[in-house]
Formats: sequence, structure tokens, C-alpha cells
Amino acid sequence: SQTIHQWPATLVQPVGSPLSLECTVEGTSNPNLYWYRQAAGRGLQLLFYSVGIGQISSEVPQNLSASRPQDRQFILSSKKLLLSDSGFYLCAWSTPPGWNSPLHFGNGTRLTVT
Amino acid sequence: GENVEQHPSTLSVQEGDSAVIKCTYSDSASNYFPWYKQELGKGPQLIIDIRSNVGEKKDQRIAVTLNKTAKHFSLHITETQPEDSAVYFCAAPPRTGTYKYIFGTGTRLKVLA
Repeated sequence: SQTIHQWPATLVQPVGSPLSLECTVEGTSNPNLYWYRQAAGRGLQLLFYSVGIGQISSEVPQNLSASRPQDRQFILSSKKLLLSDSGFYLCAWSTPPGWNSPLHFGNGTRLTVT
Repeated sequence: GENVEQHPSTLSVQEGDSAVIKCTYSDSASNYFPWYKQELGKGPQLIIDIRSNVGEKKDQRIAVTLNKTAKHFSLHITETQPEDSAVYFCAAPPRTGTYKYIFGTGTRLKVLA
């Protein structure tokens, strides 16, 4: 069966520090991969998606970037965190092509920028 | 583009009662509709989904109904239990060739013991 792992579960970082969140998927090949952000009590905002190694699409301009160095690995990064980057970050995967299949989410990373 | 409206935003029911959450969508080409349950501090988990070739799907105490003519779909939870308390999201799929799922704004369900 397929599983998705995200780490760390929680993170407290000072403003201006770098960020690296990692996500890996097991049990499937060539998944579509996604990064979402969820502000407290709010909905799900798509940040990035990837349909293959090295292929990254950004949905919103921001202080963050994403990379997919391996088929089942998705990384969310920032060179300098802002207070507004605080939130709950969720990685997800779907089976290609993706437009009629469900998203499967990880358990998220709670990021607090101080 | 696609738009999904979800109601109500909060719902409180007594344990054992039923709960219904409704979503409407705008894109008549949409043909797959998942429901997610998000418990506190966790990621959303798929609980049930429906495709447009059926009008209803059941899985134990949860069911989803779809009305393609009216462009709405609903989540029904019967015999609610305290562990059903969570935030529920509906979603419409990306349009063919795109990758952005459209999520509803969520319903916070509280089951009162």
C-alpha cells in the first residue's frame, strides 16, 4: 500500500532563517506531488505541484520554492523565512494524470516563524 | 473557473443524530467528488468519494449523494459519534490538463455527547 511521510511534524524557526521540509511517498511510481498550506482555521491553498522529477509548477508567488530531486521526494524550501510563512504545510500525492483521482495527504508540518 | 461552495461552516449535533454537509460546484464537466476529514493537527484524510456515473455511495455510517443536474453533492453521517468531530472538506477535481483541486471552505462538525 502507498504511504506518505512528512517531517518534521513541528518546527519553530526565527525570521530570516532557512527552511527545508521534506516529503516522501512509498508504494507508487511517478506520482503527482503537491505542497499545500493551511492557515489556522482556514482552507487549503495550493503552493506547488510536480508531475515529474525536476518539474515544478508554482501556484502563487511567494517566499518559498520547491524541488523534486527524486521520483518520490518533494522538498519545500525557503532561503529566508518571513513571519507570514507560519502555517500548516501539507504534502500530498495523486495517481497520474490526477484529474479524476483523489489526493492523499501527509500529516503535515506545523511551522511557526518567530 | 471551478468554484465550490460548502455549507454549513459549523455544525453541532447530538450524539446519535445525523449530520449533513452540502457542497455545490460550478463546472458541469466535473465528474469526481471526494470528501476529506481533518482531525486536529493532522492532514485531511479521504473518507469517501463518488463518481458522476452513480447517484449515491455508502460506506457504513457515511454516504455521499450526487445531483449532477443541480450540481451539488452531500455528505451524510448517520448515528454520529464523538470521534466524528472534525473538519470536513469537499472538493472538485482539477479540469483535464490542470492539477489544482478546488476545495470547499470546510465544515467544523461537533458531536455533543
